[in-house]
Amino acid sequence: GESVGLHLPTLSVQEGDNSIINCAYSNSASDYFIWYKQESGKGPQFIIDIRSNMDKRQGQRVTVLLNKTVKHLSLQIAATQPGDSAVYFCAEKVMSTGNQFYFGTGTSLTVIP
Amino acid sequence: EPEVTQTPSHQVTQMGQEVILRCVPISNHLYFYWYRQILGQKVEFLVSFYNNEISEKSEIFDDQFSVERPDGSNFTLKIRSTKLEDSAMYFCASKGLYGQGGSNQPQHFGDGTRLSIL
Repeated sequence: GESVGLHLPTLSVQEGDNSIINCAYSNSASDYFIWYKQESGKGPQFIIDIRSNMDKRQGQRVTVLLNKTVKHLSLQIAATQPGDSAVYFCAEKVMSTGNQFYFGTGTSLTVIP
Repeated sequence: EPEVTQTPSHQVTQMGQEVILRCVPISNHLYFYWYRQILGQKVEFLVSFYNNEISEKSEIFDDQFSVERPDGSNFTLKIRSTKLEDSAMYFCASKGLYGQGGSNQPQHFGDGTRLSIL
Protein backbone atom coordinates (compact mmCIF):
# COMPACT_ATOMS: atom_id res chain seq x y z
CA GLY A 1 0.00 0.00 0.00
CA GLU A 2 0.90 3.64 0.04
CA SER A 3 3.05 5.16 2.70
CA VAL A 4 2.42 8.65 3.91
CA GLY A 5 4.17 9.56 7.09
CA LEU A 6 4.98 12.51 9.26
CA HIS A 7 8.42 13.22 10.63
CA LEU A 8 7.34 14.41 14.07
CA PRO A 9 4.39 13.13 16.04
CA THR A 10 4.29 16.23 18.29
CA LEU A 11 5.25 19.85 17.91
CA SER A 12 5.07 22.65 20.48
CA VAL A 13 5.43 26.29 19.51
CA GLN A 14 5.04 29.61 21.24
CA GLU A 15 2.07 31.71 20.29
CA GLY A 16 3.07 34.12 17.55
CA ASP A 17 5.87 31.95 16.21
CA ASN A 18 5.72 30.22 12.87
CA SER A 19 5.07 26.47 12.73
CA ILE A 20 6.34 24.01 10.18
CA ILE A 21 4.80 20.58 9.91
CA ASN A 22 6.41 18.06 7.61
CA CYS A 23 5.16 15.07 5.68
CA ALA A 24 6.95 12.47 3.58
CA TYR A 25 5.19 10.41 0.96
CA SER A 26 6.40 7.37 -0.89
CA ASN A 27 4.35 7.24 -4.09
CA SER A 28 6.07 9.32 -6.74
CA ALA A 29 2.90 9.10 -8.85
CA SER A 30 0.88 11.05 -6.26
CA ASP A 31 -0.16 14.34 -7.78
CA TYR A 32 -2.64 15.87 -5.40
CA PHE A 33 -2.06 16.64 -1.75
CA ILE A 34 -4.17 18.04 1.03
CA TRP A 35 -3.48 19.22 4.54
CA TYR A 36 -6.20 18.62 7.08
CA LYS A 37 -6.58 19.89 10.62
CA GLN A 38 -8.36 17.74 13.16
CA GLU A 39 -9.44 19.16 16.48
CA SER A 40 -10.42 16.91 19.34
CA GLY A 41 -13.82 15.32 18.73
CA LYS A 42 -14.11 16.73 15.22
CA GLY A 43 -13.61 15.45 11.73
CA PRO A 44 -10.69 16.46 9.52
CA GLN A 45 -11.05 20.02 8.30
CA PHE A 46 -9.60 21.05 4.96
CA ILE A 47 -6.81 23.62 5.22
CA ILE A 48 -5.10 23.80 1.87
CA ASP A 49 -4.34 21.64 -1.14
CA ILE A 50 -1.71 21.57 -3.84
CA ARG A 51 -1.32 19.82 -7.13
CA SER A 52 1.96 18.43 -8.33
CA ASN A 53 2.33 21.05 -11.04
CA MET A 54 2.98 23.58 -8.28
CA ASP A 55 5.66 23.73 -5.61
CA LYS A 56 4.08 26.35 -3.40
CA ARG A 57 0.63 27.51 -2.56
CA GLN A 58 -0.45 30.12 -0.06
CA GLY A 59 -3.62 30.55 1.89
CA GLN A 60 -4.58 32.67 4.81
CA ARG A 61 -1.65 32.34 7.23
CA VAL A 62 -0.76 28.96 5.73
CA THR A 63 1.66 27.93 3.02
CA VAL A 64 2.15 24.48 1.58
CA LEU A 65 5.42 23.58 -0.04
CA LEU A 66 5.86 20.55 -2.26
CA ASN A 67 9.21 19.07 -3.14
CA LYS A 68 8.59 16.28 -5.62
CA THR A 69 12.26 15.43 -5.90
CA VAL A 70 12.43 14.21 -2.33
CA LYS A 71 8.70 13.49 -2.00
CA HIS A 72 8.22 15.93 0.82
CA LEU A 73 5.36 18.20 1.76
CA SER A 74 5.30 20.85 4.43
CA LEU A 75 2.71 23.08 6.02
CA GLN A 76 3.82 26.43 7.35
CA ILE A 77 1.53 28.30 9.70
CA ALA A 78 2.42 31.94 10.25
CA ALA A 79 1.91 33.64 13.60
CA THR A 80 0.57 30.51 15.24
CA GLN A 81 -2.41 31.03 17.51
CA PRO A 82 -3.85 28.89 20.33
CA GLY A 83 -6.72 27.98 18.02
CA ASP A 84 -4.22 26.29 15.73
CA SER A 85 -3.63 23.58 18.33
CA ALA A 86 -4.80 20.35 16.68
CA VAL A 87 -3.57 17.28 14.85
CA TYR A 88 -2.49 17.98 11.28
CA PHE A 89 -2.66 15.31 8.58
CA CYS A 90 -1.34 15.25 5.09
CA ALA A 91 -3.15 13.17 2.51
CA GLU A 92 -2.12 12.20 -0.97
CA LYS A 93 -3.74 10.69 -4.01
CA VAL A 94 -3.13 9.91 -7.63
CA MET A 95 -5.82 11.88 -9.44
CA SER A 96 -6.05 9.66 -12.47
CA THR A 97 -6.47 6.33 -10.70
CA GLY A 98 -9.32 6.88 -8.31
CA ASN A 99 -10.75 8.46 -5.24
CA GLN A 100 -8.65 6.93 -2.53
CA PHE A 101 -6.68 9.30 -0.37
CA TYR A 102 -3.86 7.99 1.78
CA PHE A 103 -3.45 9.74 5.08
CA GLY A 104 -0.45 10.20 7.30
CA THR A 105 -0.56 9.46 11.01
CA GLY A 106 -0.70 13.10 12.00
CA THR A 107 1.35 15.64 13.92
CA SER A 108 -0.05 17.05 17.11
CA LEU A 109 0.58 20.79 17.28
CA THR A 110 0.40 22.48 20.66
CA VAL A 111 0.54 26.26 20.82
CA ILE A 112 1.84 27.62 24.09
CA PRO A 113 0.26 30.96 25.04
CA GLU B 1 -21.01 27.33 5.56
CA PRO B 2 -22.64 24.03 4.55
CA GLU B 3 -21.38 21.00 6.38
CA VAL B 4 -21.55 17.23 6.45
CA THR B 5 -23.59 15.94 9.38
CA GLN B 6 -23.36 12.50 10.90
CA THR B 7 -25.60 10.66 13.32
CA PRO B 8 -25.36 9.31 15.89
CA SER B 9 -22.27 10.86 17.40
CA HIS B 10 -21.69 7.71 19.45
CA GLN B 11 -23.04 4.23 18.85
CA VAL B 12 -22.57 1.34 21.27
CA THR B 13 -23.45 -2.10 19.95
CA GLN B 14 -23.05 -5.71 20.96
CA MET B 15 -20.69 -7.81 18.88
CA GLY B 16 -22.55 -9.58 16.09
CA GLN B 17 -25.25 -6.93 15.80
CA GLU B 18 -25.87 -4.81 12.75
CA VAL B 19 -25.28 -1.06 12.82
CA ILE B 20 -26.22 1.70 10.42
CA LEU B 21 -24.25 4.91 10.47
CA ARG B 22 -25.94 7.87 8.87
CA CYS B 23 -24.60 10.87 7.01
CA VAL B 24 -26.13 13.87 5.32
CA PRO B 25 -23.58 15.16 2.80
CA ILE B 26 -23.41 18.73 1.58
CA SER B 27 -26.43 19.20 -0.63
CA ASN B 28 -24.88 19.90 -4.03
CA HIS B 29 -22.08 17.39 -3.67
CA LEU B 30 -21.91 14.35 -5.91
CA TYR B 31 -19.15 12.20 -4.44
CA PHE B 32 -19.51 10.49 -1.09
CA TYR B 33 -17.03 8.65 1.06
CA TRP B 34 -16.66 6.67 4.25
CA TYR B 35 -13.43 6.55 6.23
CA ARG B 36 -12.58 5.06 9.56
CA GLN B 37 -10.01 5.96 12.17
CA ILE B 38 -9.06 3.46 14.82
CA LEU B 39 -7.95 5.23 17.98
CA GLY B 40 -4.43 6.59 17.58
CA GLN B 41 -4.10 5.42 14.00
CA LYS B 42 -4.37 6.89 10.52
CA VAL B 43 -7.57 7.81 8.79
CA GLU B 44 -8.29 4.89 6.42
CA PHE B 45 -10.34 4.97 3.27
CA LEU B 46 -13.27 2.56 3.12
CA VAL B 47 -15.37 3.38 0.09
CA SER B 48 -16.34 6.03 -2.41
CA PHE B 49 -19.76 6.38 -4.01
CA TYR B 50 -20.81 8.25 -7.13
CA ASN B 51 -23.83 8.13 -9.39
CA ASN B 52 -25.59 5.65 -7.11
CA GLU B 53 -22.87 3.08 -7.11
CA ILE B 54 -19.60 2.25 -5.42
CA SER B 55 -16.74 3.70 -7.44
CA GLU B 56 -13.89 2.43 -5.31
CA LYS B 57 -13.41 0.43 -2.14
CA SER B 58 -10.49 -0.60 -0.02
CA GLU B 59 -9.51 -4.01 1.31
CA ILE B 60 -11.16 -3.10 4.60
CA PHE B 61 -14.55 -2.80 2.92
CA ASP B 62 -15.42 -6.48 2.85
CA ASP B 63 -18.77 -8.24 2.58
CA GLN B 64 -19.90 -7.15 6.03
CA PHE B 65 -19.99 -3.54 4.84
CA SER B 66 -22.48 -1.92 2.53
CA VAL B 67 -23.42 1.63 1.59
CA GLU B 68 -26.63 3.11 0.38
CA ARG B 69 -28.05 6.42 -0.66
CA PRO B 70 -31.70 5.71 0.04
CA ASP B 71 -32.94 9.18 -0.89
CA GLY B 72 -31.60 12.47 -2.14
CA SER B 73 -30.00 13.48 1.11
CA ASN B 74 -28.80 10.53 3.21
CA PHE B 75 -25.76 8.32 2.75
CA THR B 76 -25.50 5.31 5.05
CA LEU B 77 -22.87 2.78 6.02
CA LYS B 78 -24.14 -0.57 7.27
CA ILE B 79 -21.99 -3.06 9.11
CA ARG B 80 -23.81 -6.38 9.09
CA SER B 81 -22.26 -8.40 11.88
CA THR B 82 -20.02 -6.22 13.94
CA LYS B 83 -16.71 -7.39 15.36
CA LEU B 84 -14.66 -5.96 18.19
CA GLU B 85 -12.13 -4.64 15.70
CA ASP B 86 -14.81 -2.53 14.03
CA SER B 87 -14.60 -0.17 16.99
CA ALA B 88 -13.40 3.14 15.53
CA MET B 89 -14.44 6.63 14.48
CA TYR B 90 -16.28 6.52 11.17
CA PHE B 91 -16.14 9.65 9.07
CA CYS B 92 -18.36 10.50 6.16
CA ALA B 93 -17.10 12.95 3.54
CA SER B 94 -18.49 14.53 0.42
CA LYS B 95 -17.07 16.40 -2.51
CA GLY B 96 -18.40 18.59 -5.26
CA LEU B 97 -17.73 18.07 -8.91
CA TYR B 98 -15.42 20.89 -9.86
CA GLY B 99 -13.58 23.61 -8.08
CA GLN B 100 -11.04 26.28 -8.65
CA GLY B 101 -8.08 25.03 -10.61
CA GLY B 102 -9.87 22.20 -12.35
CA SER B 103 -11.06 18.74 -11.64
CA ASN B 104 -10.15 18.25 -8.05
CA GLN B 105 -11.89 19.48 -4.97
CA PRO B 106 -11.12 18.57 -1.39
CA GLN B 107 -13.39 16.28 0.53
CA HIS B 108 -15.38 17.82 3.36
CA PHE B 109 -15.69 15.67 6.45
CA GLY B 110 -18.34 15.28 9.09
CA ASP B 111 -17.45 15.09 12.76
CA GLY B 112 -17.73 11.33 12.79
CA THR B 113 -19.60 8.58 14.61
CA ARG B 114 -17.73 6.83 17.37
CA LEU B 115 -18.61 3.14 17.13
CA SER B 116 -17.95 1.03 20.19
CA ILE B 117 -18.41 -2.73 19.92
CA LEU B 118 -18.83 -4.60 23.21
